Amino acid sequence: EAGVAQSPRYKIIEKRQSVAFWCNPISGHATLYWYQQILGQGPKLLIQFQNNGVVDDSQLPKDRFSAERLKGVDSTLKIQPAKLEDSAVYLCASSQQGAGTEAFFGQGTRLTVV
Amino acid sequence: GENVEQHPSTLSVQEGDSAVIKCTYSDSASNYFPWYKQELGKRPQLIIDIRSNVGEKKDQRIAVTLNKTAKHFSLHITETQPEDSAVYFCAADDQTGANNLFFGTGTRLTVIP
Repeated sequence: EAGVAQSPRYKIIEKRQSVAFWCNPISGHATLYWYQQILGQGPKLLIQFQNNGVVDDSQLPKDRFSAERLKGVDSTLKIQPAKLEDSAVYLCASSQQGAGTEAFFGQGTRLTVV
Repeated sequence: GENVEQHPSTLSVQEGDSAVIKCTYSDSASNYFPWYKQELGKRPQLIIDIRSNVGEKKDQRIAVTLNKTAKHFSLHITETQPEDSAVYFCAADDQTGANNLFFGTGTRLTVIP
């Protein structure tokens, strides 16, 4: 079974620039999550999609972060403009049914804002 | 939302000894408690999970216990091996919202050969 795919693996940008991350979940998984993992901390949920609808975006800094899930499959997460404190690994995860089922993580995108 | 606390933040054990990592959660309605292992530079991977209708679950050298009354759960690794060295995260689901997973801050386990 193919895993969750993310790209790029690494990205370095200057503050105030914009950046986008892409995620392709496991085929058939209805639920997709984006997490932010700051160095030395646990993953923090940014947004949850169920198919192509947003279930929870309460922790997404909407003034600079946006996300979409096209046709209920692939998803993109965008930051515009980036700040130094956005430096982190951005993890995408997917699960079959959402609550109470295993979430499979991608390799993540390591973002460095300088 | 759910608040998950995890201790200790670092743990060193001799190969062959046992390791125990403890987590507490705040939402008494939480129902699902997974544990993830994350090796350096790699993705988090589920190693074991437990649901609220079970008090203990074991898978070879790994076991998880859950005390719903006290709202805490623990990961036990017996006969530790160097390849067990990694960061371990506990998590709990949030029953008040969209059933999202809230993670602890992680425990860096080092198994000394």
